[in-house]
Amino acid sequence: SAVISQKPSRDICQRGTSLTIQCQVDSQVTMMFWYRQQPGQSLTLIATANQGSEATYESGFVIDKFPISRPNLTFSTLTVSNMSPEDSSIYLCSVNRVGDEQYFGPGTRLTVT
Amino acid sequence: ELKVEQNPLFLSMQEGKNYTIYCNYSTTSDRLYWYRQDPGKSLESLFVLLSNGAVKQEGRLMASLDTKARLSTLHITAAVHDLSATYFCAATNAGGTSYGKLTFGQGTILTVHP
Repeated sequence: SAVISQKPSRDICQRGTSLTIQCQVDSQVTMMFWYRQQPGQSLTLIATANQGSEATYESGFVIDKFPISRPNLTFSTLTVSNMSPEDSSIYLCSVNRVGDEQYFGPGTRLTVT
Repeated sequence: ELKVEQNPLFLSMQEGKNYTIYCNYSTTSDRLYWYRQDPGKSLESLFVLLSNGAVKQEGRLMASLDTKARLSTLHITAAVHDLSATYFCAATNAGGTSYGKLTFGQGTILTVHP
């Protein structure tokens, strides 16, 4: 299994501000993934973060809004920029092991007021 | 574009009864996942199904995969209250570049009552 930690676990932010979410994995992984779960909804992939290259964003998500860093093989950050209430969601970091198991971090619960 | 649909979306069960959650996906997929999510919690991995005819069981839960029908099922046997949660299925597009890129179903909210 993979041990994934995220910081912060939750936050309440004012609109127009930005929040950076950190994700730490207990061992090296090639790819890290960021997902969003809006209230009462399913999960949607935001982007894939590879170490040493720019993140790849899914349709509907852009780098200016969700910049991602991947400085090494165990760490990544996701920033939610210029927040609005519609950004209130749970943001989850995820990693894939040996091409099969997909593990999710505990999530960061963001509320934008 | 891969789409994943679950049904039912809401399931109210009596303890001791059996039921099945269905997961249909629209295009060829390499792997099918089942997750459990408790309120306010993250996702707990239940099963990964990799090939046609795959069947996995853990306790009262059994998952199967029919790649020809593009259908996976999660069967619940003799439900107990502790199984109350939201269950998600997820699939990936076929091909190595899709590892980790899961498309989720809507989720099935399961409530087990006495």
